[in-house]
Amino acid sequence: SAVISQKPSRDICQRGTSLTIQCQVDSQVTMMFWYRQQPGQSLTLIATANQGSEATYESGFVIDKFPISRPNLTFSTLTVSNMSPEDSSIYLCSVEKGGETQYFGPGTRLLVL
Amino acid sequence: AQSVSQHNHHVILSEAASLELGCNYSYGGTVNLFWYVQYPGQHLQLLLKYFSGDPLVKGIKGFEAEFIKSKFSFNLRKPSVQWSDTAEYFCAVNAHEGGATNKLIFGTGTLLAVQP
Repeated sequence: SAVISQKPSRDICQRGTSLTIQCQVDSQVTMMFWYRQQPGQSLTLIATANQGSEATYESGFVIDKFPISRPNLTFSTLTVSNMSPEDSSIYLCSVEKGGETQYFGPGTRLLVL
Repeated sequence: AQSVSQHNHHVILSEAASLELGCNYSYGGTVNLFWYVQYPGQHLQLLLKYFSGDPLVKGIKGFEAEFIKSKFSFNLRKPSVQWSDTAEYFCAVNAHEGGATNKLIFGTGTLLAVQP
């Protein structure tokens, strides 16, 4: 498994601003993922972030809105840009270890006013 | 596109009752299957997984799940639930399609409340 931490754990932001979420894992991993869990809904993959390459975004998510960095094998950031109330959600990062098994961080609860 | 269906959105049981949570997926190829659990105030944790071999897999805390390929199902079971099993349960599928094997598709989750 993996121990994953996220910062901040929660935040309240004003519309039009941006928030950067950090994800730190206790060991080196190739693949990291960012998910969104909107209120009352399931998890939806935003993008896959591999170290040394551009993130791969899922349909409905774009780099301008959700820029991702992956500077090394233990760290990634997701920025939620130009936020609106519809971006209120839980944002989770996960890593793949042990062969196609993903382990999740505690999530960042975001409320946009 | 692949999808995952969890039929029960809310389940309420008394302690010692048996549990079965349904999960069906839509994909005809090779899949990896997972159940995750999220206890109140905690993060998502892996409960069990199936990749290949024995279709009956055992996970932590007495949970098991059975992969029935012909029914595209991966139902979660526990013979006797405890109050501490109160949580939200998510079924997820990783479909091997076009070489992209890492994308997890989640079901909508089942909220289980166990009454003492």
